[in-house]
Amino acid sequence: GAGVSQSPSNKVTEKGKDVELRCDPISGHTALYWYRQRLGQGLEFLIYFQGNSAPDKSGLPSDRFSAERTGESVSTLTIQRTQQEDSAVYLCASSLGDREYGYTFGSGTRLTVV
Amino acid sequence: DQQVKQNSPSLSVQEGRISILNCDYTNSMFDYFLWYKKYPAEGPTFLISISSIKDKNEDGRFTVFLNKSAKHLSLHIVPSQPGDSAVYFCAASARYGGATNKLIFGTGTLLAVQP
Repeated sequence: GAGVSQSPSNKVTEKGKDVELRCDPISGHTALYWYRQRLGQGLEFLIYFQGNSAPDKSGLPSDRFSAERTGESVSTLTIQRTQQEDSAVYLCASSLGDREYGYTFGSGTRLTVV
Repeated sequence: DQQVKQNSPSLSVQEGRISILNCDYTNSMFDYFLWYKKYPAEGPTFLISISSIKDKNEDGRFTVFLNKSAKHLSLHIVPSQPGDSAVYFCAASARYGGATNKLIFGTGTLLAVQP
């Protein structure tokens, strides 16, 4: 597609429920990243995919968080047993891997845990 | 451990004047720096970047300056326009033997350009 697409754009969930967030990167972009931005804070790295493998998962905050990528395309970020502190905007980005142009971000999924 | 710091949460300037946004970093392994701009309810968009082998990069109204000895970079916007009003994020990356291009972001500076 023309840009990075994320769905849903907004998600309200009850504490303790599981949620899945989806990212469709730009076609041909081999690198995919997940970040989150909590209120009043900067962008926090979560996980990086190169193709379908995840060589850097260092930012995942707990074992309730997991992500996968299939077909070197779509990625899903899953949060199990959501907590209120998980409330944030979750941003996905993709790139060709060339640092000169940075990443292209999606518009994000705003997750609210009530 | 905040490796990239933007100490000014907000900045207000008059239209036509210069906007200067500052960023400091602590990790001496960082060798590539970028600025992103973010409007509400949108993802950040890439603005300009600089490699550590340079001390200045210019693109139209936007110029990024890098001072490696001070571990400091700044973004200059001149002349500032009301459409420049947004949150600006500084980001840095380090290439550790062919690593991830993972970007470390600062907390952002909200720029308001007054007409």
